[in-house]
Amino acid sequence: AQSVTQLDSQVPVFEEAPVELRCNYSSSVSVYLFWYVQYPNQGLQLLLKYLSGSTLVKGINGFEAEFNKSQTSFHLRKPSVHISDTAEYFCAVSGPGGYQKVTFGTGTKLQVIP
Amino acid sequence: DAGVTQSPTHLIKTRGQQVTLRCSPKSGHDTVSWYQQALGQGPQFIFQYYEEEERQRGNFPDRFSGHQFPNYSSELNVNALLLGDSALYLCASSNPDRGHRDYGYTFGSGTRLTVV
Repeated sequence: AQSVTQLDSQVPVFEEAPVELRCNYSSSVSVYLFWYVQYPNQGLQLLLKYLSGSTLVKGINGFEAEFNKSQTSFHLRKPSVHISDTAEYFCAVSGPGGYQKVTFGTGTKLQVIP
Repeated sequence: DAGVTQSPTHLIKTRGQQVTLRCSPKSGHDTVSWYQQALGQGPQFIFQYYEEEERQRGNFPDRFSGHQFPNYSSELNVNALLLGDSALYLCASSNPDRGHRDYGYTFGSGTRLTVV
């Protein structure tokens, strides 16, 4: 079984500043990793994913994440945030391939301050 | 290309009643997964349907049941509603056979269920 820990429940950051949202996972097998964003009263939207290959993954809206197997981490970063990035971000993990269930973390609320 | 469609968007039920939520997957997707998201929490996996059968199930009681139809659409049924069932119910569709480029869930906007 896999699990995900998001270390920060809320992260306030000033507009145009960089941000890092932390995610650690636990698994006894290889994993697929995901970051999703949820805006108020909406479903989740896929930001980016790591399935295999390059450990640095680029996603939509200028976000990127790095898979670190030795530290079992998959932190999300953006060099310069905008007001529109204010949302809740979820890290998620699944087993590799096939019809594996996806397990989500508890979420990190990113608040961008003007 | 229509994404995932869920209905209804909001629902208010009384304790002990039964409810049915509906989901139409994204075009080309054959797998539907249901999640419960309580206020301030991450989504919790309820179950997954593929080829009209329940393939995986999370830690939810038998009061939660589902169905998938030949057109891949799905229903989530909850019997004997409890106050604690109040949550946002999310449907996610996928097709793992489409390769890495398209791998991953597409979520609907959810059904907000309130049990009073």
